[in-house]
Amino acid sequence: DAKTTQPPSMDCAEGRAANLPCNHSTISGNEYVYWYRQIHSQGPQYIIHGLKNNETNEMASLIITEDRKSSTLILPHATLRDTAVYYCIVGLAGGTSYGKLTFGQGTILTVHP
Amino acid sequence: ETGVTQSPTHLIKTRGQQVTLRCSSQSGHNTVSWYQQALGQGPQFIFQYYREEENGRGNFPPRFSGLQFPNYSSELNVNALELDDSALYLCASSREVAAQETQYFGPGTRLLVL
Repeated sequence: DAKTTQPPSMDCAEGRAANLPCNHSTISGNEYVYWYRQIHSQGPQYIIHGLKNNETNEMASLIITEDRKSSTLILPHATLRDTAVYYCIVGLAGGTSYGKLTFGQGTILTVHP
Repeated sequence: ETGVTQSPTHLIKTRGQQVTLRCSSQSGHNTVSWYQQALGQGPQFIFQYYREEENGRGNFPPRFSGLQFPNYSSELNVNALELDDSALYLCASSREVAAQETQYFGPGTRLLVL
């Protein structure tokens, strides 16, 4: 599975957009980019995923560069409840890799009032 | 609320003992994965069960074993507990074993080994 690199921490003001970057320069053509977040003492929560195209859902937007070597998760209007550890994960290419999420250290996002 | 439940929520054991953790998957999900999350670290994949068969395993010793039942609920068993087994154990379920399927995590079981 490709490795990902994320900044260890980021801050964001409440109501502003939070842009969380992720580098995955060794990603292969059939690997997806997933974002999960984990609020303190809870299980990880799925946010969004994509393969090549940009994606948007009710929680966030995912922007994947054309070469697919990096991506950005955008929370358009951050709230205090978005304070969490955000994990960018690449993988699930196939076979026994299906379902195996390889979590890194993630980015601790702190949303300030 | 993901519909994935785990029991117990907390557990204290002593070194050398055995423990069984349980996970009920979301309705309609046939795949369960187990993860170990040490304090301050990201979750680490232990293994996955798909339709009652192990379907992939992470870098964990054989004393970590599992089962999946016909109703797709699952158990994680850890024998000969070590102090380093103290962690949050998470299970996640999904509809199928496929890259585009979302995994839904339970709240976890926090295990402390003394």
